[in-house]
Formats: sequence, structure tokens, C-alpha cells
Amino acid sequence: QTVVTQEPSFSVSPGGTVTVTCGLNSGSVSTSYYPSWYQQTPGQAPRPLIYSTNTRSSGVPDRFSGSILGNKAALTITGAQAEDECDYYCVLYMGSGLWVFGGGTKLTVL
Amino acid sequence: QVQLQESGPGLVKPSETLSLTCTVSGGSVSSVTYYWNWIRQPPGKGLEWIGYFYYSGSTNSNPSLKSRVAMSLDTSKNQFSLRLSSVSAADTAVYYCASVVTAAGRYYFDSWGQGILVTVSS
Repeated sequence: QTVVTQEPSFSVSPGGTVTVTCGLNSGSVSTSYYPSWYQQTPGQAPRPLIYSTNTRSSGVPDRFSGSILGNKAALTITGAQAEDECDYYCVLYMGSGLWVFGGGTKLTVL
Repeated sequence: QVQLQESGPGLVKPSETLSLTCTVSGGSVSSVTYYWNWIRQPPGKGLEWIGYFYYSGSTNSNPSLKSRVAMSLDTSKNQFSLRLSSVSAADTAVYYCASVVTAAGRYYFDSWGQGILVTVSS
């Protein structure tokens, strides 16, 4: 069974930098998995932030960036703001029309 | 980007079939451009991909749900649908419909509906 792993929670100070990662139980995450990232505030539908590893979705501030760090996909927020406090999800495309979500990371800005 | 809106019963009895519809505007369900997806989120928990349907009839679903999932398109109404059979309390969730653009490299959910809460209870 494919499991996509994320840190359950993270904390960052206002103005600080935080990196959330997205791993795979069966091996390394590469660009071939087209990692994407979503932001979800309570009661709202997820909003796409990053796709194809490092491409920002329309309207997403440039303080959000995506990359591959080691064997994981990564979402970095540079200069975190209070409004960034919410849940973040990564998704990997496994091929053959199959997607898997990570468990989500709850980000606290304090 | 397309706009998506889920609809259907908010309450389903255990062992029955959950049926939801997603109405698409700003695009056609019979377009080659999109994969049409269903995603769910149990209360207080994470997101789970359920499956996708393509205009050609191509489809795939989460292996954990595959035996209970059926999806279809209604081109006359520009809608796509989900049917999940033999539901239990574990299927209580907010259900989202979402689109994926089929262009190379864009394997991500770019448009989402607002979600609909479906509760499984007698």
C-alpha cells in the first residue's frame, strides 16, 4: 500500500521560514510524481498552491515555493504570515490515473 | 478554470448507496481537457482521493474503495456523478468534486467544488 507521509504539525514565527516535506513509504519522491501542494483553511475547500514540484498556481504569493529536498518533495514558506496558519496537503501522482494524498500538516504561526 | 458544484442527499442510511452529482460550468464534461475527480474528507481528518472519470470512459479509483465506487458523466446536463455502495459510518465525510487538466505535467487538482457533507446514519 502506498503511503505519503507529512509532518503532522509544524510551528513557525511570523516572518520566519518553514519547510514542510512529503515522503513516500516505498522510496524516494522525484519530479516524476508531479508533487502538488494544497492549502486548506477551516470549512473551506483546498486551494492549489504548487504543482509539478515547483510551479505556483495562479495568484499564489511568491513566498510559497516547491522543490525536491533529498528524497522528498518540499513546500517552503519564506516570511510566514498569520494568514498562513492552516492545513497543508501534498499529493503525488502515481501514474495510470492514480493520486495519493499525504496526511496533511497543520501549520501554526506564533 | 471551470467552476464546480456538488449536490445530493446529506444523509444516507448504512448499507445503502451514496449518490452525488457535480455540475460543471465554464467547461464541458465531454471535453478532452479534463479528468473529473471525487475527493473526500472525514470530519477532522485528511483528504482522500476517491477516483476519476474521463469523457472517453477511462476511469480509475482508490484501491481501498474500488469495489464500491462507480462514476459516470451526464453530458446533457454537463454533470458527473459518484455512486458509493454499501456505505457505513466510516464513509461520513465532506465530498468534493475536482478537475485535473490533462495537459502534460499538470497532474493536479486545479478547480474544486465547495464540498458537500454526507452523513451515514440510520
